[in-house]
Amino acid sequence: ILNVEQSPQSLHVQEGDSTNFTCSFPSSNFYALHWYRWETAKSPEALFVMTLNGDEKKKGRISATLNTKEGYSYLYIKGSQPEDSATYLCASKVGGSQGNLIFGKGTKLSVKP
Amino acid sequence: EAQVTQNPRYLITVTGKKLTVTCSQNMNHEYMSWYRQDPGLGLRQIYYSMNVEVTDKGDVPEGYKVSRKEKRNFPLILESPSPNQTSLYFCASSSLKQGRRYTEAFFGQGTRLTVV
Repeated sequence: ILNVEQSPQSLHVQEGDSTNFTCSFPSSNFYALHWYRWETAKSPEALFVMTLNGDEKKKGRISATLNTKEGYSYLYIKGSQPEDSATYLCASKVGGSQGNLIFGKGTKLSVKP
Repeated sequence: EAQVTQNPRYLITVTGKKLTVTCSQNMNHEYMSWYRQDPGLGLRQIYYSMNVEVTDKGDVPEGYKVSRKEKRNFPLILESPSPNQTSLYFCASSSLKQGRRYTEAFFGQGTRLTVV
């Protein structure tokens, strides 16, 4: 059974704070690591897809890093804004291009103005 | 426009009355999957499909059926719904083509099902 773990489960920060959360996944047979942003009453939308050890991706104030050897990824948000409030999901794909995509439970971020 | 379409968006039904939630994608994706989302439990996978006529159980398949007769459609069938299947359901699809390693999953709008 493939377990994808995310921490913390929830996070409350003030506007302007920078924050980060963790996704851990089994490192064997790794293929790709996905991050999604899921706003209330909407569908999850992809932020990043990462495949290479040491990969770093950035989109505006949000960035992510990947360590495939130890099986973790960090998502960073610099200068959080209320519109960043959402649940952030990571998902791991193992076993090649034909592998299944398994999601963690997510980190729910609330940014207070 | 590339999209995954689920229907209906909202459904209230009674225990035992068979229902189908449809999912259709227009991106020629091989992979499709159903998830349910319950408070505190994240997205739990119900069934997934790697291609036409290829389906497999996810983490919580009990009480559900799926079929994949065409590439674009992946309906979720509840033969005899029960109140514990009240949940928010999402369908997703993605490409499995070799060389398209950076392809993400696209999600439908969600179906909120209530079984009374």
